[in-house]
Amino acid sequence: DQQVKQNSPSLSVQEGRISILNCDYTNSMFDYFLWYKKYPAEGPTFLISISSIKDKNEDGRFTVFLNKSAKHLSLHIVPSQPGDSAVYFCAASAGTNAGKSTFGDGTTLTVKP
Amino acid sequence: GAVVSQHPSWVICKSGTSVKIECRSLDFQATTMFWYRQFPKQSLMLMATSNEGSKATYEQGVEKDKFLINHASLTLSTLTVTSAHPEDSSFYICSARLLRRAAKETQYFGPGTRLLVL
Repeated sequence: DQQVKQNSPSLSVQEGRISILNCDYTNSMFDYFLWYKKYPAEGPTFLISISSIKDKNEDGRFTVFLNKSAKHLSLHIVPSQPGDSAVYFCAASAGTNAGKSTFGDGTTLTVKP
Repeated sequence: GAVVSQHPSWVICKSGTSVKIECRSLDFQATTMFWYRQFPKQSLMLMATSNEGSKATYEQGVEKDKFLINHASLTLSTLTVTSAHPEDSSFYICSARLLRRAAKETQYFGPGTRLLVL
């Protein structure tokens, strides 16, 4: 049973437009959510996170929205840039142990110039 | 920022040999490190949690005798794949949680090690 799902394996957007990456989870115990960015042959890098006490967190061009009732979160990138092209992983954890995060399968974002 | 290194980045070995992968936190101390495995086009799967000075905690389905983890210091954890077989070929990634930022829910990942067992 996959507890964190990213249903879109890939997404292609034009430079300057908005990229929206989606993530769904099933475990109601999850209360902390993270997004990571990963380039090929590299480890993931932390992008942005959100606690379940919030419904939005913003950091520059990146905004994460959390809908607890729908068990859904999304990452918005505005404006999208070619350098944003990478695999984006959604991760969720219960409690403060972010190390035991459960990851989604990732969404490959391609931003076209 | 916090840097985590892994060595080697690439390893090719014959079936039946053992391979050791090192994970180092370069500019911070990490009481806890994590080892992940990633298959092509799949998610990162947590294999085990490595705690400095104590035995690692393995996730369900991960053979602890197959994947030996040692966390001898606050900056080094090693994963040894014993008697490797082709099905062990994968991308192994470690991560470390900052000691001083234990309350901040982030972890820093190494660049990964690609293992190919022939």
